[in-house]
Amino acid sequence: ETGVTQTPRHLVMGMTNKKSLKCEQHLGHNAMYWYKQSAKKPLELMFVYNFKEQTENNSVPSRFSPECPNSSHLFLHLHTLQPEDSALYLCASQQASGGARSEQFFGPGTRLTVL
Amino acid sequence: DAKTTQPPSMDCAEGRAANLPCNHSTISGNEYVYWYRQIHSQGPQYIIHGLKNNETNEMASLIITEDRKSSTLILPHATLRDTAVYYCIVRTYNTDKLIFGTGTRLQVFP
Repeated sequence: ETGVTQTPRHLVMGMTNKKSLKCEQHLGHNAMYWYKQSAKKPLELMFVYNFKEQTENNSVPSRFSPECPNSSHLFLHLHTLQPEDSALYLCASQQASGGARSEQFFGPGTRLTVL
Repeated sequence: DAKTTQPPSMDCAEGRAANLPCNHSTISGNEYVYWYRQIHSQGPQYIIHGLKNNETNEMASLIITEDRKSSTLILPHATLRDTAVYYCIVRTYNTDKLIFGTGTRLQVFP
């Protein structure tokens, strides 16, 4: 248990569906992250939020839409996904002012399958 | 961020020490060495990090060479539950980013 929870843990959706992934951190951190891990590939950073503001978008397609209503919650809204978007989606949090001195804590991930 | 090089896989007998090497020959003075591991289909788990000095915690020890161009993660008494992919990451002091490579797949066998 890392203090970062993600729901749902597994999700199967069609290409025309709209769904959302939820992440919550109970660590008092003020930075949150979305990562994507496709099969047999390294983790790829998708989005970064610091103090609820998006500070990084790594050229992620617009069918992925993040939302950070407060420092404890992060959402990833999904619509009209493609089968190649099937992956493990991981959320992480960190104390933003810590820089490289602070570790990131990861949630267990959501295993997404797009049919 | 400096690039790291790790062997793709290693084996270790249960109860023995697992020594995982990492090369980071282009590391600069303000970059930290971080280690994470990822057990199959779970989120990465933080293990340890260091700047210059050797570090030890309840999970592992981190040995950084004097020139800082390489490091070794030591799991003193490996168990079957330590089977995972281990990532060595070099991280600039003022960044929140973690750039993951392909890591070392450690297999602990009975």
